[in-house]
Amino acid sequence: DAGVTQSPTHLIKTRGQHVTLRCSPISGHKSVSWYQQVLGQGPQFIFQYYEKEERGRGNFPDRFSARQFPNYSSELNVNALLLGDSALYLCASSRSQANPIPYEQYFGPGTRLTVT
Amino acid sequence: AQKVTQAQTEISVVEKEDVTLDCVYETRDTTYYLFWYKQPPSGELVFLIRRNSFDEQNEISGRYSWNFQKSTSSFNFTITASQVVDSAVYFCALSATGNQFYFGTGTSLTVIP
Repeated sequence: DAGVTQSPTHLIKTRGQHVTLRCSPISGHKSVSWYQQVLGQGPQFIFQYYEKEERGRGNFPDRFSARQFPNYSSELNVNALLLGDSALYLCASSRSQANPIPYEQYFGPGTRLTVT
Repeated sequence: AQKVTQAQTEISVVEKEDVTLDCVYETRDTTYYLFWYKQPPSGELVFLIRRNSFDEQNEISGRYSWNFQKSTSSFNFTITASQVVDSAVYFCALSATGNQFYFGTGTSLTVIP
C-alpha cells in the first residue's frame, strides 16, 4: 500500500505570499494531522482533521488554516508568510480519531518550505 | 500541560555498542500514550512503538527495547549492538486522550563504523 504522500517536496516563497501544501493519507485512514518541524526541533502540532472536521488545533496564528476533503486528503494553507514559517511541514495519517485512543501516526516525507 | 523532554541532544557511539536514549514526560492525565519515532536523514518519521500508561511491561523487539517507568515518568529506548543504519534522530512523543501529539526535541544518534 502507498504511504502518506505530500506535495510539493520543496517550495520557495517570498514574505507576504500565500502557500498551499497537500497531503494524501494512507488508504483507509480517515484522520490527518499537520505538523511544523523547524530545523533542530521536534514536530509541532498544527491541526488534526477527522471526517472533514477540525478536531484539534495547536498554538498557531490564524494565518494557518486547513481543510480535509471527502476522499480524506488535506490541504494546509498559510497566508502572509513570514521568514519564521520556513520549516519542514509534515502530514500524518492514522486509522482513527485520536480520542480516546491515539493510534500511531504514519508520516509523509514532508514539504520543505523556505520563505525568503 | 503535556511536555516531553529529551535531554540528550546528540549521542555518538561506535558500532556494536549499546546506547540508551532518554525520554522524560509530564502530564496530568492518568490515561496517556507514549511513542518513539525514528527520523532518518531522508526526513520521514518512522513509527517504532506505542505504549499506554497502564502497561509498564518492558518491551523488546529485536535489538530495540523500551523501559517504561511511571514512577520516574520516563520511557527510555535502548538499542543493543548498534549499527550504522541506526544513525538518525529519535523522537519521543506523548498523547493523552486529546487529539494532539507532543514531541520532544529529539536525540541525534550517530553510529560510527
